[in-house]
Amino acid sequence: AQKITQTQPGMFVQEKEAVTLDCTYDTSDPSYGLFWYKQPSSGEMIFLIYQGSYDQQNATEGRYSLNFQKARKSANLVISASQLGDSAMYFCAMREAREDSNYQLIWGAGTKLIIKP
Amino acid sequence: DAGVIQSPRHEVTEMGQEVTLRCKPISGHNSLFWYRQTMMRGLELLIYFNNNVPIDDSGMPEDRFSAKMPNASFSTLKIQPSEPRDSAVYFCASSFPSGRAEDTQYFGPGTRLTVL
Repeated sequence: AQKITQTQPGMFVQEKEAVTLDCTYDTSDPSYGLFWYKQPSSGEMIFLIYQGSYDQQNATEGRYSLNFQKARKSANLVISASQLGDSAMYFCAMREAREDSNYQLIWGAGTKLIIKP
Repeated sequence: DAGVIQSPRHEVTEMGQEVTLRCKPISGHNSLFWYRQTMMRGLELLIYFNNNVPIDDSGMPEDRFSAKMPNASFSTLKIQPSEPRDSAVYFCASSFPSGRAEDTQYFGPGTRLTVL
């Protein structure tokens, strides 16, 4: 079963509009973390934002915010006032404990976001 | 601060040749990850090290792949012999559990490998 699901393979959004990228997850671990990464066409993977499972407030980093709905197991990324430079692949990932007490990241398939001028 | 450093950035080689990819993690990070990314399979974890010790190599495709981390500041991923299906972008990432954003992985720029 998929542990991280990103249901939008691709999205087109008009510049300056807000964007919501969906991410749902599945875990039975009470302690987990959720991450969003951006991969522009140049190829690098850029960490954007983190949300811990015990965090009471939604994480924010500049124009990025994470709409964390724990009961729904959803961690959507919201980008306010989109810019052309936001065009990229966006990956959602979940940190989950392993049996050996180490951690691993489980990755979603990604959403390709294209901002239209 | 320097981020994760990978070399080479691009590698073109012929089938059967040995390929060595190199990674220098962020200073102070104690976990290091090697990933492979292709259009068909997405991002795959190949192996990861914790305090220089390999923890999980279940993602290594086959015996042709090997990885080492002789010290905290250097790791290699070797493919011998290389095959065309190994063509991909190989990422190295490092992390350190440091409180709020534990285990955030920071990625290097990647090595784009083409095997002809």
